[in-house]
Amino acid sequence: DAKTTQPPSMDCAEGRAANLPCNHSTISGNEYVYWYRQIHSQGPQYIIHGLKNNETNEMASLIITEDRKSSTLILPHATLRDTAVYYCIVRGSGSARQLTFGSGTQLTVLP
Amino acid sequence: GAVVSQHPSWVICKSGTSVKIECRSLDFQATTMFWYRQFPKQSLMLMATSNEGSKATYEQGVEKDKFLINHASLTLSTLTVTSAHPEDSSFYICSARDSGDRGLGANVLTFGAGSRLTVL
Repeated sequence: DAKTTQPPSMDCAEGRAANLPCNHSTISGNEYVYWYRQIHSQGPQYIIHGLKNNETNEMASLIITEDRKSSTLILPHATLRDTAVYYCIVRGSGSARQLTFGSGTQLTVLP
Repeated sequence: GAVVSQHPSWVICKSGTSVKIECRSLDFQATTMFWYRQFPKQSLMLMATSNEGSKATYEQGVEKDKFLINHASLTLSTLTVTSAHPEDSSFYICSARDSGDRGLGANVLTFGAGSRLTVL
């Protein structure tokens, strides 16, 4: 699985969009980008995933660059409850394999 | 959506005792479940892969005789920490994938809420 690089921490004002970057320059063609988050003292929560097209669901949007070497998770209107550690994970599909977690980005939403 | 339940959510035990943590997939079947451990201010570290009806696969450095894993059914995996010591105090988290999901969601793992173990 390709290695990912994320900033260790970010702040965002409540109600504003939170844009969390992730670099995955060694990603291969069949690897997906997954985003999970972990609120303090809870298990990780799935947010979104994508291969090469931008994706949107009720939680967030995922923007993947054309060369697929980086992506951005967008929380359109951050709330205090979005304060969490956000993990960007790159992994191939087609098999039931584990997720390997990096250090993630601690997002703090400020009132 | 898929739900994974862990029990207990927290447990305190004396050094030398054994503790069992259960991980259940509530509305789907899971042939494979994963057990993670997380120390304070650190990321999740995979401990072992639990396979229904067969032996678990342990990551390097994880003692299989200390962390016993049983996956006797398609909806239940258990992790038993044997002869627990204070250094085993940690947050233990399980995850599972819906075996019946063949779409793009096939590789989305659902996580339990975690079990916090404190060994005195």
